[in-house]
Order: sequence, then structure tokens, then C-alpha cells
Amino acid sequence: DTGVSQNPRHKITKRGQNVTFRCDPISEHNRLYWYRQTLGQGPEFLTYFQNEAQLEKSRLLSDRFSAERPKGSFSTLEIQRTEQGDSAMYLCASSRPTSGRETQYFGPGTRLLVL
Amino acid sequence: GESVGLHLPTLSVQEGDNSIINCAYSNSASDYFIWYKQESGKGPQFIIDIRSNMDKRQGQRVTVLLNKTVKHLSLQIAATQPGDSAVYFCADGYQGGKLIFGQGTELSVKP
Repeated sequence: DTGVSQNPRHKITKRGQNVTFRCDPISEHNRLYWYRQTLGQGPEFLTYFQNEAQLEKSRLLSDRFSAERPKGSFSTLEIQRTEQGDSAMYLCASSRPTSGRETQYFGPGTRLLVL
Repeated sequence: GESVGLHLPTLSVQEGDNSIINCAYSNSASDYFIWYKQESGKGPQFIIDIRSNMDKRQGQRVTVLLNKTVKHLSLQIAATQPGDSAVYFCADGYQGGKLIFGQGTELSVKP
């Protein structure tokens, strides 16, 4: 399978704990995005990388959230001191912009439940 | 700020009929749009995209129409099948990378 992969697929944690999610993009895709999706809503942008550089962060991304893409390949999203409001699906997407088009391909997501 | 919205939260069609899902956007400078399909428990799946220099684009059983005058786009699915049941999102790709999604329309196909 050469699509975007995310691990874990599900995570249950207690409030106050730290969690880390991993995303492996499609090979040779230089852009990688993180989105958050709550029930009944469309995905909301969190942050994105071009290669290893983090180019934009949403105002939704509090100081408890941090993302990295150290070698320009896989990325991790860490949430510190989780809160119940962090419960959501965290989606990763990757792309390789060409000729003014940038199709983002999504992974299956990591569903987080904070108790 | 910019927003993307869909006209109907749910749509129910008979198997074999054509489906039309509508979407409005607010940013007149938007120049790239994408339709995604999301099945329960899965990530959004790319269906088709369109740039603003086009009014229409066709794929396999799907057609996207873009009306820049009224800032409206639609996704037409021909001969809808039970496997088409999902939530459909339009997304605005103007922001130079990040996508702005609408809330989605849930398509239900009755056998």
C-alpha cells in the first residue's frame, strides 16, 4: 500500500496525559498536512510542512500541540496535557504540488478519545 | 473570513438515479476546488478537482461544475450506487496549501 499511513488508528487516554501520533506520507510527497475533524464537521487545518520546514500553523493549534517532520519524510503530532476537548479525529494528508494543482491525499486518521 | 458551505446536510436518492451535491464559497479569489468522499471511520478520499479556468470537469461517473459568477460548484454522480453512500465535502484550495472544508453532505442511497 503506497498511500498515507497513520499510527495508531485509535488512542484512548486520560486527561492530562501526553499523546503522540505518527504520519507516513506518500513517498516523494514534499508537503505534509495535519487536520483535525470533530463529529459532523469538515476537517480543520492545523499545520503543514514543506519538506522539513513547518510553514504554517493555525490559530487553532494551542501551545500544547507540536508537530515535527525532522527528515522531511514522516511527521509526528504531539499533544501535551490532553483535555477532553482534544477528542477528535486527527488526519494527515500529503501532496506534491504540480502545475498549479495540489491534490492532498489523506490517511485513515487517528481517532483520539480523552477521558 | 472565507467559508465554504454546502446547501443540504443530507441527500437521499434511489439507486440508479443521478445525485447532485451543491457547494457555495465566499472568496471570489478562490481558484481551486476539490471534492472528497468520506466513509464512516475513514479519511477523506479524493474524487475530483477543478481550477477556476474551467467550468466543468468530468471523471468516472462524476462531473464537477463551477459557476464563478455566483460562487457555486456542484458534484454530479451518475447512476448512483450503494457504494456511493458517504459524506461528501467540497474544499477550497485557495489558501496556497491548506484546504478549507465545508460541513459536508451525507448521501444516502436507497436500494
